[in-house]
Amino acid sequence: AQRVTQPEKLLSVFKGAPVELKCNYSYSGSPELFWYVQYSRQRLQLLLRHISRESIKGFTADLNKGETSFHLKKPFAQEEDSAMYYCALSGPNGNKLVFGAGTILRVKS
Amino acid sequence: DTGVSQDPRHKITKRGQNVTFRCDPISEHNRLYWYRQTLGQGPEFLTYFQNEAQLEKSRLLSDRFSAERPKGSFSTLEIQRTEQGDSAMYLCASSFSGRRETQYFGPGTRLLVL
Repeated sequence: AQRVTQPEKLLSVFKGAPVELKCNYSYSGSPELFWYVQYSRQRLQLLLRHISRESIKGFTADLNKGETSFHLKKPFAQEEDSAMYYCALSGPNGNKLVFGAGTILRVKS
Repeated sequence: DTGVSQDPRHKITKRGQNVTFRCDPISEHNRLYWYRQTLGQGPEFLTYFQNEAQLEKSRLLSDRFSAERPKGSFSTLEIQRTEQGDSAMYLCASSFSGRRETQYFGPGTRLLVL
């Protein structure tokens, strides 16, 4: 079964602190992993994908196939990072996304 | 092109009524997806189209739900005989199929069934 688990509903950190949003998945095969973000009053948008291996807005995520994890990290949180973050996966040929329940990141000043 | 658009943005209806939602994708995109999101959950896949063809439907999509994309452009999602459990945000996304496919989401239609 395809499943994405985000164990934290809310993560609250101070500005400048490191951030790690956890994501674990189950998938029989080689999925593609994504992080989507939804800022207040905006639509859901792609933040990054594992095959790009890039840093977006200071965020990175490494796919760990052994632990079936794709945690999102940023060394120094900023207030504008406050948002809802969703981890998602799709099959190797694209099409439907399977989302986790999401984690609210709150960055306090 | 301002991105994926959805209409209406909000819909309140009484139980038992039929409702129809529309999604206009980004113009060059050949794939169109429908998702449903309830409070506290991530979006759940309902169905998707590649051009006019409906290629996959979720078990979540009961026989009261029907989706069309007649000319491979806009799509409609109809819910017949609405139930209170249908209350949710209905999201549409579009993409261009291929390597590094990226789905772009619309603002959603929030449905409340009284």
